Amino acid sequence: EDQVTQSPEALRLQEGESSSLNCSYTVSGLRGLFWYRQDPGKGPEFLFTLYSAGEEKEKERLKATLTKKESFLHITAPKPEDSATYLCAVQAGAGNNRKLIWGLGTSLAVNP
Amino acid sequence: KAGVTQTPRYLIKTRGQQVTLSCSPISGHRSVSWYQQTPGQGLQFLFEYFSETQRNKGNFPGRFSGRQFSNSRSEMNVSTLELGDSALYLCASSLAWGLLSYEQYFGPGTRLTVT
Repeated sequence: EDQVTQSPEALRLQEGESSSLNCSYTVSGLRGLFWYRQDPGKGPEFLFTLYSAGEEKEKERLKATLTKKESFLHITAPKPEDSATYLCAVQAGAGNNRKLIWGLGTSLAVNP
Repeated sequence: KAGVTQTPRYLIKTRGQQVTLSCSPISGHRSVSWYQQTPGQGLQFLFEYFSETQRNKGNFPGRFSGRQFSNSRSEMNVSTLELGDSALYLCASSLAWGLLSYEQYFGPGTRLTVT
């Protein structure tokens, strides 16, 4: 069964304390892995797309990496404004059979 | 460029009633997807429309339906509401359908409460 698991469920960091969020997946026919950020009361905001193992993408303090089994979202020297829920989604299949499978997210709180 | 808009933002309905939610995608985007988000289940895919045709459908009962208009605006309808339908309903638009990239832009959602 296609599945996406994110860990930890919740993470509390001090400002400047770097860490990583994990997204592990078991899908057949991976077409892409996506990271989104969701703030309370808002819809998810697109961050990155990764397509193949070994690929890396960076944006400000965030860096996403992909292996054949999992993806990591590294947060370097986080600030309080990085507090949000980070969602991972995996696209499997193509055309009419394509589907996006979502993890439950990691709730990140960064204390000043 | 204006983002994805959804109306209404909040809705309270009674069991057995029906509800219609509306979504206007980003200008130029022709694909609209709908999701249900709950704390325990996360985001669950409902359906995707492109060029007024449903292209993909998730595992939801027939009480959930949708449509897309020629201007790419979309509506979803839930009939015979149940308590378990209480959720945040999110609409997402993307440039086209069938692309390898699934880069979607989400609206703020409609918070539906069924009592």
